[in-house]
Amino acid sequence: DARVTQTPRHKVTEMGQEVTMRCQPILGHNTVFWYRQTMMQGLELLAYFRNRAPLDDSGMPKDRFSAEMPDATLATLKIQPSEPRDSAVYFCASGNRQDGGEAFFGQGTRLTVV
Amino acid sequence: GQSLEQPSEVTAVEGAIVQINCTYQTSGFYGLSWYQQHDGGAPTFLSYNGLDGLEETGRFSSFLSRSDSYGYLLLQELQMKDSASYFCAVSLNTGGFKTIFGAGTRLFVKA
Repeated sequence: DARVTQTPRHKVTEMGQEVTMRCQPILGHNTVFWYRQTMMQGLELLAYFRNRAPLDDSGMPKDRFSAEMPDATLATLKIQPSEPRDSAVYFCASGNRQDGGEAFFGQGTRLTVV
Repeated sequence: GQSLEQPSEVTAVEGAIVQINCTYQTSGFYGLSWYQQHDGGAPTFLSYNGLDGLEETGRFSSFLSRSDSYGYLLLQELQMKDSASYFCAVSLNTGGFKTIFGAGTRLFVKA
């Protein structure tokens, strides 16, 4: 069945290292979102793309985070350099609603930066 | 600023009906979504309301009143597996679209 696939599922890295998270959206979905979830902040929208074009990345720390969609089947989120405060679960979601409603989430990447 | 409020916890018994409310103060409101998340899992889409009124999907229903900036999720015939966190999320059109999630309501279903 159709699902959003994220890799890796878990990542432990040392502070200062680069981290790359990948997402394969559901085939046919034209909108892709990156969210971060922590106990303190809840679910935060980091960035989103429509038809592979970045529409909003105002929720993302620009100095260290970057998001791209090199093609319709792959979205990436990079952190360089990583910091302990980046430890969180990062979710990718995809959908067809331009307003972001009715989004289908991947299983997430649990990132721990030590 | 933009804000959403929902109760932090709700407890109900198996077989009962529970309502989880969500109030919002936003500009550019476009629609309201509901998601379920089990511990360690991913948010799962439940329903979307773009217009006022009730949307029904099986045991779950969702309601929206734009004039009251209010919505709710209604869960009927509660089952133990419904124990999870439930998030309301508003879609905003502020020159571009954006989605903001509430802090979530933890639902405990007791036998």
